[in-house]
Amino acid sequence: GAVVSQHPSWVICKSGTSVKIECRSLDFQATTMFWYRQFPKQSLMLMATSNEGSKATYEQGVEKDKFLINHASLTLSTLTVTSAHPEDSSFYICSARVGGTGREPKNTEAFFGQGTRLTVV
Amino acid sequence: AQTVTQSQPEMSVQEAETVTLSCTYDTSENNYYLFWYKQPPSRQMILVIRQEAYKQQNATENRFSVNFQKAAKSFSLKISDSQLGDTAMYFCAFIPPEYNTDKLIFGTGTRLQVFP
Repeated sequence: GAVVSQHPSWVICKSGTSVKIECRSLDFQATTMFWYRQFPKQSLMLMATSNEGSKATYEQGVEKDKFLINHASLTLSTLTVTSAHPEDSSFYICSARVGGTGREPKNTEAFFGQGTRLTVV
Repeated sequence: AQTVTQSQPEMSVQEAETVTLSCTYDTSENNYYLFWYKQPPSRQMILVIRQEAYKQQNATENRFSVNFQKAAKSFSLKISDSQLGDTAMYFCAFIPPEYNTDKLIFGTGTRLQVFP
C-alpha cells in the first residue's frame, strides 16, 4: 500500500512555543490530507481537512489560529501548534488518500502516518 | 447527524477462537463506505477491511469478515481463529458521501485482547 510518513514521531516542547509536524505522502500524490487528534484510550477526532493549494477546512470547535495547517504541495502537509500549552499535549495523526474524490475502492482507502506524540511542559 | 457507535469498549478472546465486534452508524445517505481499522500498540492505523454500502455481499479478508446489515445500519467485524497479534484497538469508520471531502468518521473504538 501507499506510505505516509509523519515527522517527528514524538516531540517535547516548552509551554508558549510552537511546534511543527510534517506529513508526507512518499509514493503518491495527495490532494487531500486529514489531521486527527487522539487522546489516550480514545478515538480519533478529526481536526481539519488539508487541501493542496487552498485553505484548510476546520472541524467545529478546532481553533484555526492555534492549529495552523499548510498544504503547499501534493506530498506535504504541515500542522503547526502555535503557542502550545499543556492541554495541547496529545497524539496527532495525519492521513492521506490517493487521488481525488473518485468512488472506486482504490480511491477510498486512507493511509495513516505513524503519529506524533506531543508533550508540552 | 452522522455518527458511529461501538458499544463494546473492551473485548477479550482466547487464541484460535472467534470474536465479533459490533458497530452501528447513523446516516441519512444511501451510498457510503464503511471500514474497520486496527490500531496496535505501535499506534499505526491499519486498514482491516472495507465495505461499500451499495454492495450486498459481505466483505471478507482472510480471517476477517463483516456482517453488514444496511437496514439496521449495523456493521460488525468477525475475527476468526484469533491470533495474539490481533490484540489492538479496533475502530469502525465510515465516509459520508460528501463530494468535496472524504473524511473518515470514527467510532469510539473497541479494545480487543487476545489471550493465549
